[in-house]
Amino acid sequence: SQQGEEDPQALSIQEGENATMNCSYKTSINNLQWYRQNSGRGLVHLILIRSNEREKHSGRLRVTLDTSKKSSSLLITASRAADTASYFCATDNGANSKLTFGKGITLSVRP
Amino acid sequence: GAGVSQSPSNKVTEKGKDVELRCDPISGHTALYWYRQRLGQGLEFLIYFQGNSAPDKSGLPSDRFSAERTGESVSTLTIQRTQQEDSAVYLCASSLVGSRYEQYFGPGTRLTVT
Repeated sequence: SQQGEEDPQALSIQEGENATMNCSYKTSINNLQWYRQNSGRGLVHLILIRSNEREKHSGRLRVTLDTSKKSSSLLITASRAADTASYFCATDNGANSKLTFGKGITLSVRP
Repeated sequence: GAGVSQSPSNKVTEKGKDVELRCDPISGHTALYWYRQRLGQGLEFLIYFQGNSAPDKSGLPSDRFSAERTGESVSTLTIQRTQQEDSAVYLCASSLVGSRYEQYFGPGTRLTVT
């Protein structure tokens, strides 16, 4: 079964607006990671948040983690057309040293 | 430095033929992963190599799929007797010492089975 599930499945916003994407998971985790994918090719790592962290920032990205609710959110501030991509969360539950990816969120930023 | 490379970038094959996909990980990365991504879908884990440990093959969908890795270097994913449902992008990723670290992905091989 899917460990990380993102929502919404698709999001369309205007350039300059903020984009918020959510990820929920089922089992306890060691860390949660967010990745971006352009044009159906290789994924690019964005940010990693560990289970003992609640919030992390990287440039225009802000990630939060609520282990009590088993959820994470990725906020992209002041979005740009170049942010148009698919975004995936991935969880590490430490049991087998591999990440489990969600199905992804398709973000479209209109210029 | 060089990232993860994969070859070929595109492969079109006839149903029933065997195909071999190659992945060159980042030097020094002991962990290597193969994923499959069907059109518009998420990543499906296939197999994981970690150093000299026995690979985790729990994601391989059938015995037509196999993978090898020579030490901590190149890996090949082989699909025998390809079927149309094997059409997908096959992604390889490498990382340091498993999932505590970020994974670096290659550009993928787009496989089309006709």
